[in-house]
Amino acid sequence: SAVISQKPSRDICQRGTSLTIQCQVDSQVTMMFWYRQQPGQSLTLIATANQGSEATYESGFVIDKFPISRPNLTFSTLTVSNMSPEDSSIYLCSVEEGAGGPTDTQYFGPGTRLTVL
Amino acid sequence: AQSVTQLDSQVPVFEEAPVELRCNYSSSVSVYLFWYVQYPNQGLQLLLKYLSGSTLVESINGFEAEFNKSQTSFHLRKPSVHISDTAEYFCAVRNTGGFKTIFGAGTRLFVKA
Repeated sequence: SAVISQKPSRDICQRGTSLTIQCQVDSQVTMMFWYRQQPGQSLTLIATANQGSEATYESGFVIDKFPISRPNLTFSTLTVSNMSPEDSSIYLCSVEEGAGGPTDTQYFGPGTRLTVL
Repeated sequence: AQSVTQLDSQVPVFEEAPVELRCNYSSSVSVYLFWYVQYPNQGLQLLLKYLSGSTLVESINGFEAEFNKSQTSFHLRKPSVHISDTAEYFCAVRNTGGFKTIFGAGTRLFVKA
């Protein structure tokens, strides 16, 4: 099973600044996902990042606000730009392992807890 | 489009008591169903999943869930819980032709001694 680490584990940031979250996987994976988990709410998919192509964003999320990099098959970054208190959330990195279909098992990183003041 | 409803945000229960965490889903197409568990300060882990075949699926730590197509439910049960089962549990669905997983809001299970 894939082991995922995220940095930082938590941060407190000022309004208007940006934070880049790193996600490292211990194996090569095709698909990586970034989720947001707001307090008391379910996980919401922000975008899907495949190596060598532009990330695909879900409705309500845009590249200018959440730029993503995917330089290789084991690493990705998510930047939360021009932050506001509404961006306070847990951000989760996720990957899939398997044959490359909908039955693949999904693994999650421990999350980055972001607080914006 | 799919949606998932977890009917209880919190479930307190005494140790060794049975528990049921409820999950209902809505979908116009066939789905796969999942339960994930998130222990304090850890990432989500897959607990069990229904893909096809027997509607009753089990995890290695005593949880089971039953897919009920007519009720569009996938409730999670355990006959006797332990303190270590204290965690947040997420129900999720994915359509059989896609890659996007839709999660419920989560149920916090709190097991008391």
